[in-house]
Amino acid sequence: DTGVSQNPRHKITKRGQNVTFRCDPISEHNRLYWYRQTLGQGPEFLTYFQNEAQLEKSRLLSDRFSAERPKGSFSTLEIQRTEQGDSAMYLCASSSQVYEQYFGPGTRLTVT
Amino acid sequence: DQQVKQNSPSLSVQEGRISILNCDYTNSMFDYFLWYKKYPAEGPTFLISISSIKDKNEDGRFTVFLNKSAKHLSLHIVPSQPGDSAVYFCAASGDSGGSNYKLTFGKGTLLTVNP
Repeated sequence: DTGVSQNPRHKITKRGQNVTFRCDPISEHNRLYWYRQTLGQGPEFLTYFQNEAQLEKSRLLSDRFSAERPKGSFSTLEIQRTEQGDSAMYLCASSSQVYEQYFGPGTRLTVT
Repeated sequence: DQQVKQNSPSLSVQEGRISILNCDYTNSMFDYFLWYKKYPAEGPTFLISISSIKDKNEDGRFTVFLNKSAKHLSLHIVPSQPGDSAVYFCAASGDSGGSNYKLTFGKGTLLTVNP
């Protein structure tokens, strides 16, 4: 299977801890996106990479969040000092076409 | 401010009949629209898309219609099958400029197809 993969699939952490998620996009895709989805809502854009360059960040991405895509391959999303409001599904998507994006299965974060 | 709206949280249809899912948008900058299907505990799966220069796109049992003047699009599934039961998200793109084709999603419609 050469789809988008995300690890871990589930993460439970205590408030104040740091967490890091990983996304492996489809290999030939140069664009990578992170989204966050909460209950009853559609996914919301967080940040966008073209190759290794982070080109846009949503205002939803507070300074506790940081994302990287070294060498333009996999990407990581780190949340420092987690809060209960960070509990959500974090989705990664990749694209080579202009518009169609292909999503991974997501990482469900629960902050207790 | 919800720029993409799916006003029906749920829809129930009989197997074999047509399912029609609706979506409205407010941002005139959007120029590309997509539908995604999502099963529980999985990420959204791309279904079908349409450019703003077209008014219809068809792929097998799925057809998307776009009415640009009304800022409205719909997804038709004919015939509906029980395996189509999922949450359907409408998404729009094209308002960012540059190379960022981020998607703006609606809240989704839960489709249930009854055997």
